[in-house]
Amino acid sequence: AQTVTQSQPEMSVQEAETVTLSCTYDTSESDYYLFWYKQPPSRQMILVIRQEAYKQQNATENRFSVNFQKAAKSFSLKISDSQLGDAAMYFCAYRSAKRGAAGNKLTFGGGTRVLVKP
Amino acid sequence: GAVVSQHPSRVICKSGTSVKIECRSLDFQATTMFWYRQFPKQSLMLMATSNEGSKATYEQGVEKDKFLINHASLTLSTLTVTSAHPEDSSFYICSARRGQSTGELFFGEGSRLTVL
Repeated sequence: AQTVTQSQPEMSVQEAETVTLSCTYDTSESDYYLFWYKQPPSRQMILVIRQEAYKQQNATENRFSVNFQKAAKSFSLKISDSQLGDAAMYFCAYRSAKRGAAGNKLTFGGGTRVLVKP
Repeated sequence: GAVVSQHPSRVICKSGTSVKIECRSLDFQATTMFWYRQFPKQSLMLMATSNEGSKATYEQGVEKDKFLINHASLTLSTLTVTSAHPEDSSFYICSARRGQSTGELFFGEGSRLTVL
């Protein structure tokens, strides 16, 4: 079974600065997807960024970028120019690329709370 | 992006009663929906996978008779917590998959259940 680990329960960052959230995962599969989701106080899960394992290029979405190290099974998220609205819980998630039941499930890490100081 | 709506957003019930939570995909058809449970300050734990027109697939440790899931149409899945007890109090979140197996997942707003 796949597992996802986020070793940082909480991270604090000054507004306009950069913060990096760590995520490691364990899998025997070669093809899969990795995600970072944001859960603000409203509790609505919002997709931040997505990475396909077969792609070597790291995904970027505006101020959000990832460092995907497939061999090390590491998938960190960098938030640049942090804004007050970035304050939230961030979850790393894994999903198999297999079709059928195995390809349905999202396995989440424990989450990292990001605090943004003005 | 696509919209998934949950109702009710908050519900309080007495111990021993049953509560139904609805999850609707508003602008796409979802053959597969997922139900998660989230305890305070914890991560989301998958409870079951709901497939339109067939029985739900439950994760290990989740009681099928306790958490009844029905996916009667391509836009609606329901989770019924039967004979609720205080330990069932939690935040329940659904997600719906748009398209086939690699389709993107969209999340509902969540439903907070409090059992007195």
